[in-house]
Amino acid sequence: GAGVSQSPSNKVTEKGKDVELRCDPISGHTALYWYRQSLGQGLEFLIYFQGNSAPDKSGLPSDRFSAERTGGSVSTLTIQRTQQEDSAVYLCASSAPGGSYNEQFFGPGTRLTVL
Amino acid sequence: AQSVTQPDIHITVSEGASLELRCNYSYGATPYLFWYVQSPGQGLQLLLKYFSGDTLVQGIKGFEAEFKRSQSSFNLRKPSVHWSDAAEYFCALTGGSYIPTFGRGTSLIVHP
Repeated sequence: GAGVSQSPSNKVTEKGKDVELRCDPISGHTALYWYRQSLGQGLEFLIYFQGNSAPDKSGLPSDRFSAERTGGSVSTLTIQRTQQEDSAVYLCASSAPGGSYNEQFFGPGTRLTVL
Repeated sequence: AQSVTQPDIHITVSEGASLELRCNYSYGATPYLFWYVQSPGQGLQLLLKYFSGDTLVQGIKGFEAEFKRSQSSFNLRKPSVHWSDAAEYFCALTGGSYIPTFGRGTSLIVHP
């Protein structure tokens, strides 16, 4: 079956522009996560969705970052007025309903470069 | 608060040698523990997980891990490493929260 997909795979933008990153989770997965991975770093949690609501937005680094999820499926992460420090790989993951013992399935990521 | 520590940033082994990657955790109850692998340019893939029962867990690609409550550890092992195992390895923990805590990762380098 289809895994988690993300688009675009690469995005180059100029400082100050807005960008939108898309995540298509596995069908039926109610939980969806966004992470940021900077070069040589681990995973930085950004936001978690259960269905369409986001019970935990604590990881969003600033008010320039926002995310939404519609229809319990596709999610979009938006970064406004991008800065060079936003350059990173943005990973999306989804997991099946049932419990926190369920593993996450990751997409291939979107590599964002802010010039 | 929960935390995961991977003490080794880099590990270098020769092809065919055995491997052990360390993971220590801090959590007040029995955790759910995971090992993921990330190949260059890819997302993370689950190798194995522990959530109850037998403390020795078998995973994909010949990996295994042992949950040791007394040592708060969940070390990943492989008896004979292949060049294709070169990757970044992440240990992760979930407990009562749906938000996993990841270690910072261990980069595995395999020499021929």
